[in-house]
Amino acid sequence: DTGVSQDPRHKITKRGQNVTFRCDPISEHNRLYWYRQTLGQGPEFLTYFQNEAQLEKSRLLSDRFSAERPKGSFSTLEIQRTEQGDSAMYLCASSLGSRVEAGELFFGEGSRLTVL
Amino acid sequence: GQQVMQIPQYQHVQEGEDFTTYCNSSTTLSNIQWYKQRPGGHPVFLIQLVKSGEVKKQKRLTFQFGEAKKNSSLHITATQTTDVGTYFCARAGGTSYGKLTFGQGTILTVHP
Repeated sequence: DTGVSQDPRHKITKRGQNVTFRCDPISEHNRLYWYRQTLGQGPEFLTYFQNEAQLEKSRLLSDRFSAERPKGSFSTLEIQRTEQGDSAMYLCASSLGSRVEAGELFFGEGSRLTVL
Repeated sequence: GQQVMQIPQYQHVQEGEDFTTYCNSSTTLSNIQWYKQRPGGHPVFLIQLVKSGEVKKQKRLTFQFGEAKKNSSLHITATQTTDVGTYFCARAGGTSYGKLTFGQGTILTVHP
């Protein structure tokens, strides 16, 4: 399967613990996105990369969230000191974007986080 | 700001009826994308509209981009149970064109 893959698919953790999610994009895609989605809402933008550069990060994102894409391939999203409000589906997407548009986003199946 | 508003939030139709969802922005859009998310699934790209007044069709789906590039619509003719899901529009914006901001979606239920 050459689509976007995310790991783990489900994570249950206790409040205060750190969690890390991994995303492997479609190999030829230069852009990688992280979104968060809660029930009944649209995907909420968190951050995106073009190759290894993090080009934009949501102003709503606290400093407990950090994302990396060290070699311009896979990406990790870490949440430190998790809170119950962090419970959500974390979606990764990749695209072949240009200077003036995002391109078609291909989403992974998501990583569902439950914070107890 | 960079938000897009979608209406209605919910739509229940009988199979065979038509369905329309609208996406509105207070500012001019460079382009608009539409996605569909099936229950329990992830968003899947449907189409991108770029030109003022553009109309694109995909079988029973018709997508329109307003003349002023501030609104868009998705119309489904003769809905089927396979059309069930949430339909999102997404706009480019932010400090770079790469950021896509999604609307809150329209949840479509089709009764057989």
